[in-house]
Parts: sequence; C-alpha cells; structure tokens
Amino acid sequence: GEDVEQSLFLSVREGDSSVINCTYTDSSSTYLYWYKQEPGAGLQLLTYIFSNMDMKQDQRLTVLLNKKDKHLSLRIADTQTGDSAIYFCAETPENSNSGYALNFGKGTSLLVTP
Amino acid sequence: DAGVIQSPRHEVTEMGQEVTLRCKPISGHNSLFWYRQTMMRGLELLIYFNNNVPIDDSGMPEDRFSAKMPNASFSTLKIQPSEPRDSAVYFCASSPREGAGGYGYTFGSGTRLTVV
Repeated sequence: GEDVEQSLFLSVREGDSSVINCTYTDSSSTYLYWYKQEPGAGLQLLTYIFSNMDMKQDQRLTVLLNKKDKHLSLRIADTQTGDSAIYFCAETPENSNSGYALNFGKGTSLLVTP
Repeated sequence: DAGVIQSPRHEVTEMGQEVTLRCKPISGHNSLFWYRQTMMRGLELLIYFNNNVPIDDSGMPEDRFSAKMPNASFSTLKIQPSEPRDSAVYFCASSPREGAGGYGYTFGSGTRLTVV
C-alpha cells in the first residue's frame, strides 16, 4: 500500500505551539485526516482537509497541506497537558481503483511538559 | 448514540485457542472496518465491509483469521488457532458511507488481545 510517514516523538512545553508533520506518497489522496489517540482509547477524529484546500483552521488546530510536496502538518496552538496523546495522519484516495479505506501513519507521540 | 461497541475489552488466551472479537457499529452506518494496532507495524487494515459484504480482505494475515458480518448491527473477527504474534489491539470502526469523506470513521475502544 501507499506510505504515510510521521516522526515518532515530539516534546513541547505547555503553552507553546506544537507542529506535527506527515508525508504521504499517494498522489490520488482525496481526503487527509488527523486523529488523536489517548491511552487505552480508540482513535478520535480531530480534523480533516480536502485535497483541493491548502489550509484549514479549527479553534486551536491549523492544518496545512502542500500537495506538491505531499506534506501535511498539524499545528496545535497553546498546547496543553491534555493534548498529550498519539496523533495519526491518514489518507484515502476514495476511488474504486485504490479503495476507500483509510491508510494510517504510525503515529506521533506528543508529550506536553509543564 | 453509544458509539462503536467492542467486546471484550481485554482477552488473554493460550496459544492454539480460538478467539472471537465482537463489534457493534453505529446504527445506520453502512461500512465497518477491522484494524490491528501493534508497536512495530502501527495500524493495519485487516478487512472492511460495505452493506454487510466484505469488500477488501487483503489485509487478513492468513487463513487463521476470518471475519463475518451477518447483519448491519454485528460483526465478528475470529482467530483460530491463535498464536503469540497475534497479540495486539484490535479496533473496529464504522462509517456512514464506504468512503470516509468528510466524516472519517468512528472507532471503538478496541480489544487488547494477549496470546500466551
């Protein structure tokens, strides 16, 4: 399958901004997503971006998409200790040739220190 | 809505035993997905169903794994016989349509399987 790559760890101080990066290889990706997983829980959809957009903002979250470089980022402003979790990047081509299931990266563990 | 419900939450079994994981998707959702999560391989899609029909089972590791969706409100993932390398967290997710679109999937809390 197509690859989705993320760095494994990120540590930031409370109140700072966090930037989590993701690269993907499938040029036919239609939607790209960010999910959050807290310990012992399932994945929760945070936000998504359609491939014809280059930026989406939702409260403290900003998603940037560089389709030419196949690079996606998630910026969390004013990071709080409750933001400590694993963040997954995912993509889907959404067509009958490549399928409809989400393809996930391995996740970035975000640690927010006081 | 109670969300996607998986059972059991934890399962410890001996190698060679049969294991059955259960999932109840959100009512009205047409698609159901089974994922496996391990440290080494991350999240892997095992199989997904649309309108109760298996669409893509290419991620099922081998014949020891089987999945069924007898109706719109219930799915099972069975491993027979189980092996220690099957130890992982198994997630079920559902979506109102075949593609995630702008909705994404709703995940259950997972079943942590340990095979000793």
